[in-house]
Amino acid sequence: SAVISQKPSRDICQRGTSLTIQCQVDSQVTMMFWYRQQPGQSLTLIATANQGSEATYESGFVIDKFPISRPNLTFSTLTVSNMSPEDSSIYLCSVVPGTTAGEQYFGPGTRLTVT
Amino acid sequence: DAKTTQPTSMDCAEGRAANLPCNHSTISGNEYVYWYRQIHSQGPQYIIHGLKNNETNEMASLIITEDRKSSTLILPHATLRDTAVYYCIRRTGASGYALNFGKGTSLLVTP
Repeated sequence: SAVISQKPSRDICQRGTSLTIQCQVDSQVTMMFWYRQQPGQSLTLIATANQGSEATYESGFVIDKFPISRPNLTFSTLTVSNMSPEDSSIYLCSVVPGTTAGEQYFGPGTRLTVT
Repeated sequence: DAKTTQPTSMDCAEGRAANLPCNHSTISGNEYVYWYRQIHSQGPQYIIHGLKNNETNEMASLIITEDRKSSTLILPHATLRDTAVYYCIRRTGASGYALNFGKGTSLLVTP
């Protein structure tokens, strides 16, 4: 298994500003994902952030809006840029530890409110 | 877009078995069925997965029909802490492990 922490746990931000969310894992993992969960909705994959390669974004998500860093095997950041109220969501990171049969472990999420 | 169909919501009495159905009639031979759950205000939690054989672990059992078009997640003795949204997800190993979450089933366990 893997233990994942995220910072901040929640934040309230003003329109037009940016927020960087950190994801820390207690073990080295190659595959990491960032998801968004809008209010009352299910999770939507934003991007895949594997160490050693550029992040791969899903349709509807672009690097200028959601830049991702993956400097090592235990850490990643997601930035939500030029925020608008529509960006109010829970942002979650997840990892696939290499020894598991595809099980994915999720962080507790960052609850973002944009005013 | 690989989809599954689940009931929107279900109720279950505490101590009874909770049987959560999932329809995946277009599943292909190399796709696994995964179950996750999300307790309110937490990240999703892995429960169990299977390909074609029934599976059991400390949390639940997964029953997959012989034609693999549907499956049932069984929580043998539901507790109040099992109240959550349960997601049934199809995935292949070649998909890079990304999960396509549908709307899931909201399970309410009542005293």
